[in-house]
Amino acid sequence: EAGVAQSPRYKIIEKRQSVAFWCNPISGHATLYWYQQILGQGPKLLIQFQNNGVVDDSQLPKDRFSAERLKGVDSTLKIQPAKLEDSAVYLCASSLDTGTSKQYFGPGTRLTVT
Amino acid sequence: DAKTTQPPSMDCAEGRAANLPCNHSTISGNEYVYWYRQIHSQGPQYIIHGLKNNETNEMASLIITEDRKSSTLILPHATLRDTAVYYCIVRVTGNQFYFGTGTSLTVIP
Repeated sequence: EAGVAQSPRYKIIEKRQSVAFWCNPISGHATLYWYQQILGQGPKLLIQFQNNGVVDDSQLPKDRFSAERLKGVDSTLKIQPAKLEDSAVYLCASSLDTGTSKQYFGPGTRLTVT
Repeated sequence: DAKTTQPPSMDCAEGRAANLPCNHSTISGNEYVYWYRQIHSQGPQYIIHGLKNNETNEMASLIITEDRKSSTLILPHATLRDTAVYYCIVRVTGNQFYFGTGTSLTVIP
């Protein structure tokens, strides 16, 4: 079974530039999550999708972050404009549904903002 | 609000059991405890989960206290490949995970 795919694996940008991350969840998984993991901390949930609808985006900084999951499969997370404090690993995860099912994580995208 | 507290670091001798504690004193009756681990530069990997009964699988055992305010993850025979950050997580309604800062486990040869 293929796992959660993410790209790119690494990205370096200057502050005020924009960046986008892509995630392809495990086939058949209805729920998709984006997390931000700052160095030395645990992952923090940014947004959760159920199919192509948003379940929770309460911790997403909406003035600069946006995410979409068109067609209920792949998802993109965008930051525009980036700030220095956005430097982190961005993890994508998926699960079968929002019931008692475990989340499967991708390898993450490491973003460095200079 | 992380909902869990864990010691920041622990050491364990190779071949011995590693016992990783976690406090989750504010857990609600229908909230599960999950354990994941994260090896450097990889995404978190599922280990085990439980509600109120003790659980065991091929990777580990999970012991949950009767009042459910704490739990212990047991790796029965730690190997060098078990060196990682271990996260104790409370899963709330909607399958949302609240990660704490985790325990960095170092297995010593």
